[in-house]
Parts: sequence; C-alpha cells; structure tokens
Amino acid sequence: DIQMTQSPSSLSASVGDRVTITCRASQDISNYLAWYQQKPGKVPELLIYTASTLQSGVPSRFSGSGSGTDFTLTINSLQPEDVATYYCQKYNSVPWTFGQGTKVEIK
Amino acid sequence: EVQVVETGGGLIQPGGSLRLSCAASGFTVSNSYMIWVRQAPGKGLEWVSFIYGNGNTYYADSVKGRFTISRDNSRNTLYLQMNSLRAEDTAVYYCARWYLNRGADYWGQGTLVIVSS
Repeated sequence: DIQMTQSPSSLSASVGDRVTITCRASQDISNYLAWYQQKPGKVPELLIYTASTLQSGVPSRFSGSGSGTDFTLTINSLQPEDVATYYCQKYNSVPWTFGQGTKVEIK
Repeated sequence: EVQVVETGGGLIQPGGSLRLSCAASGFTVSNSYMIWVRQAPGKGLEWVSFIYGNGNTYYADSVKGRFTISRDNSRNTLYLQMNSLRAEDTAVYYCARWYLNRGADYWGQGTLVIVSS
C-alpha cells in the first residue's frame, strides 16, 4: 500500500506568518490528493482537491501544490481561526489513506 | 441543502455487532459516492470504507471481512454494519459524500462507537 507521510507533525507560528505543510506519498499518486482541516472538536472540512484546486468557500490564503509524490499545503498569512489539524488524503487507488496530520498552533 | 446525519453509535462489548446509519438529504445516495472515515480518541483520520454509485464497495484491511457498507435507496440512507467488534474499533465514525473527483465535501457530525466490556 502507498504510505502518506506528513511533515511536520506539529508547528507553531505567529499570526501573519506563511505556513507550509508537506505530504509525501511513497509512490506516484498523480494529483489525486485532498487536504482537510479539522478544528478542535469539529468535523473535518475539505480545503483542497486534486492537489491544488480550492474548495468553494475556502479562503484564498490557502493553496495547494504538487504532483506525483510531493505535495504542499500553504497558508499565507496565518490567522487565529486557522488553528487546526490538517490532513492530506490520497485517492488514486484503494486504500484512500490519510496522512497522520499536522497540528498548527499560534505562537 | 446537502446534509448527512449519522446515528447508531454506542457502547458495545467486544465481539458484538452494531449498525451505523447515515441519513442523507439534498442529494441522492444511490448515485453518489459515499465514504466512512473513523477517528479514534486523540488520533488521526482513518479511511474505513467506500461505495461507488454503481454499488462497488471497498474496505480498509483493518475492517475487511467484518464491516459491510450498504445503502437503502428508498430511505436515501447509507449504512455500516460492523461485526466482530474489537477494542481498536473504538472511534468516532463519520460518513461523508465523496463528490466526483473532488474529495469528501459534506461530512456528518459523527457517531461515537465504544467497544468495551
């Protein structure tokens, strides 16, 4: 099975900082990658699909890039409401594995 | 408005069975892709199962042979039948609509399953 590895597992940044989260697949998954945000105590929400397409309603400070095995989620100008755990998920083939998550906190 | 609502969670003894339901509104389950995802306490998201519009089903290795995903088109409801439950199945179970090639765009609030004696 293809493994999904996120890094870092957690980070602390200041409001207004640019934050980058990486997701690496152990094999080529093309662009079949989604990113989700899960705020504390809340349900996951879709942020980005097909690696770089922003889901409707998601603030434009979020962006995704990458293809093949290396993917990035970027938050430009981190806001207090962005405190959450972020997960990548591959969906090119079964199993539709999630990364282990990256917890983002405000410094 | 698109909405999914899970029910059926609870406390169950190891080896027991439970059926989760996911009632959908605002879209038709029968021609949608649907997914079950679980989250153990304090842990990350784990994909559990998936059903295509054509009825094809897929399962994580951790639940294969024990869990069955199905749907009732007349009730517009998705189900997850869980048998031979183990302590490690303890989690919040979410159902979600998977829209085309775009990921899981609508999630339920989740239902908690606790497997314990």
